[in-house]
Amino acid sequence: NAGVTQTPKFRILKIGQSMTLQCTQDMNHNYMYWYRQDPGMGLKLIYYSVGAGITDKGEVPNGYNVSRSTTEDFPLRLELAAPSQTSVYFCASSYFSVQGTNQPQHFGDGTRLSIL
Amino acid sequence: ILNVEQSPQSLHVQEGDSTNFTCSFPSSNFYALHWYRWETAKSPEALFVMTLNGDEKKKGRISATLNTKEGYSYLYIKGSQPEDSATYLCAFRSSGTYKYIFGTGTRLKVLA
Repeated sequence: NAGVTQTPKFRILKIGQSMTLQCTQDMNHNYMYWYRQDPGMGLKLIYYSVGAGITDKGEVPNGYNVSRSTTEDFPLRLELAAPSQTSVYFCASSYFSVQGTNQPQHFGDGTRLSIL
Repeated sequence: ILNVEQSPQSLHVQEGDSTNFTCSFPSSNFYALHWYRWETAKSPEALFVMTLNGDEKKKGRISATLNTKEGYSYLYIKGSQPEDSATYLCAFRSSGTYKYIFGTGTRLKVLA
């Protein structure tokens, strides 16, 4: 049972380059999230999705894009990398039912990204 | 903007001590509160899901309480052990949204 898988684990980018952080989950979770973790700042929500084809902005969406074409995958795209995007990125997923079942989020191992 | 605050920011205790920390959140439109344990170089792992005012949850030596009317939750660790050293995060969700707002965490160090 793989859970939430993020790739790559580490990456160094030059300013202005683009890249996609991959996230996939095999738990059939409908909700998926992208967070960034900056020192002393906890986890900030970038984007989230409540199901395939549905995405919405979180607290810090600028400079990022997402898509959710399948239940399993939720890639995060950086179009023009900037030093301010140096961070550790976490993908998470959870299951929510219409009956209101509230389950915690399952996190991937993170992607450490440096923009130089 | 919803504000979720955790205190203290960091804490050092001796092995065997009991300790507790606080998560404060808006007292209106409460939906759920989650507690997570986050060890260095790992990803956060869920401890508790709390949804009802007065909820008390327990897992081994760790327990949590919830007061939605006044907007706080306490996490208790009884007889702290070095392996309890981690950052403890709370995450708040208000009704009508799908987003969780995380606190900045309490970093616990248990000294042997």
